[in-house]
Amino acid sequence: AQKITQTQPGMFVQEKEAVTLDCTYDTSDQSYGLFWYKQPSSGEMIFLIYQGSYDEQNATEGRYSLNFQKARKSANLVISASQLGDSAMYFCAMREFQTGANNLFFGTGTRLTVIP
Amino acid sequence: GAVVSQHPSRVICKSGTSVKIECRSLDFQATTMFWYRQFPKQSLMLMATSNEGSKATYEQGVEKDKFLINHASLTLSTLTVTSAHPEDSSFYICSARPDQSSYNEQFFGPGTRLTVL
Repeated sequence: AQKITQTQPGMFVQEKEAVTLDCTYDTSDQSYGLFWYKQPSSGEMIFLIYQGSYDEQNATEGRYSLNFQKARKSANLVISASQLGDSAMYFCAMREFQTGANNLFFGTGTRLTVIP
Repeated sequence: GAVVSQHPSRVICKSGTSVKIECRSLDFQATTMFWYRQFPKQSLMLMATSNEGSKATYEQGVEKDKFLINHASLTLSTLTVTSAHPEDSSFYICSARPDQSSYNEQFFGPGTRLTVL
């Protein structure tokens, strides 16, 4: 089974509008972390936001917020006031702390295009 | 934020040659670094976990004799693609986790695009 599922291969949003990128995850660990990364055309992976499984509050970082719904195992990224520079690939990722695995499991990504 | 550099950013080589890619954490120490491979329009696939002072841990299906990893210091890991072939052409990205990390953050290098002719 896929650890991370991103069901939206591509999304469009009007400049200055908000957009939600979906991410669901699958784990039996009680302790895990969820990450969102942005990958522009240059290829660099840019860390955006982190949510720990025990964090009670939804994470926020500037225009980025993470809508964490633990019971539904979803960790959607919300980008408010979209800018043209937000056009990029966005990857959701998870690390399972209890299994001891060090690696991040990545989803297949969502390509976001911001329309002027 | 923490910075991870990769060198070279782009390399073109002939089939049969070996290519070395360096990954450095510039402002933090990292006992653990990771090497990923990304094909066009696809996600990142973990190849191996590099541990300073010990052997790398390779993911299933990754040939350890082909992709040699050396984690020489707390700030440097290298990936050598030996006897490269056209099917090794890909985007290789390294990542490092700071030893002093508040929440398991992981920072990525800018990637190396390898083209094997």
